[in-house]
Amino acid sequence: AQTVTQSQPEMSVQEAETVTLSCTYDTSESNYYLFWYKQPPSRQMILVIRQEAYKQQNATENRFSVNFQKAAKSFSLKISDSQLGDTAMYFCAFMASNAGNMLTFGGGTRLMVKP
Amino acid sequence: DSGVTQTPKHLITATGQRVTLRCSPRSGDLSVYWYQQSLDQGLQFLIQYYNGEERAKGNILERFSAQQFPDLHSELNLSSLELGDSALYFCASSVVVDGAHVSFGPGTRLTVL
Repeated sequence: AQTVTQSQPEMSVQEAETVTLSCTYDTSESNYYLFWYKQPPSRQMILVIRQEAYKQQNATENRFSVNFQKAAKSFSLKISDSQLGDTAMYFCAFMASNAGNMLTFGGGTRLMVKP
Repeated sequence: DSGVTQTPKHLITATGQRVTLRCSPRSGDLSVYWYQQSLDQGLQFLIQYYNGEERAKGNILERFSAQQFPDLHSELNLSSLELGDSALYFCASSVVVDGAHVSFGPGTRLTVL
């Protein structure tokens, strides 16, 4: 079974600053995907970024980038130039490519961006 | 807008009752997933259907059941409700069995009193 751990229940950052959210996972699978989802107060689950494990290059989406360390089973999210709209819960998630396609989520990190 | 619709948005009911949550997947998506988000259990996968057939099962209670209809919409039935079933229930969909491109619906907030 896969497990996903987010060790930071809450974080805060000043507007325009950079913040990094941590995520570690445990799996015996070799082919998998990793995700970061954002859940704002509206509760909608919004995909922030996706990383295929076979790709060595770290995924980036505008101000969001990941640091994927496969050997260490670490998948951190960096948010640059933080904006007030980034205030939300952030969930790290894992999906094995050949194991039922379900997402396994971490416990979440609540991020507050302060003006 | 993800294209995935869920009804109702909110549902308030009493212990022991039965409810049905409905999900319409994004146009063209054949696979539907149900997730439960509760305060104590976090986000958990419940069940997946692909083109009408059950594909994968997660931590779904025996009191819960689901199905996917020929028009691809899905229903999650929750019976003999308990206080602990109060949660946000998400439906998600994807084009193929591979869930790597998954879109989530807005969720149904269930409150059991």
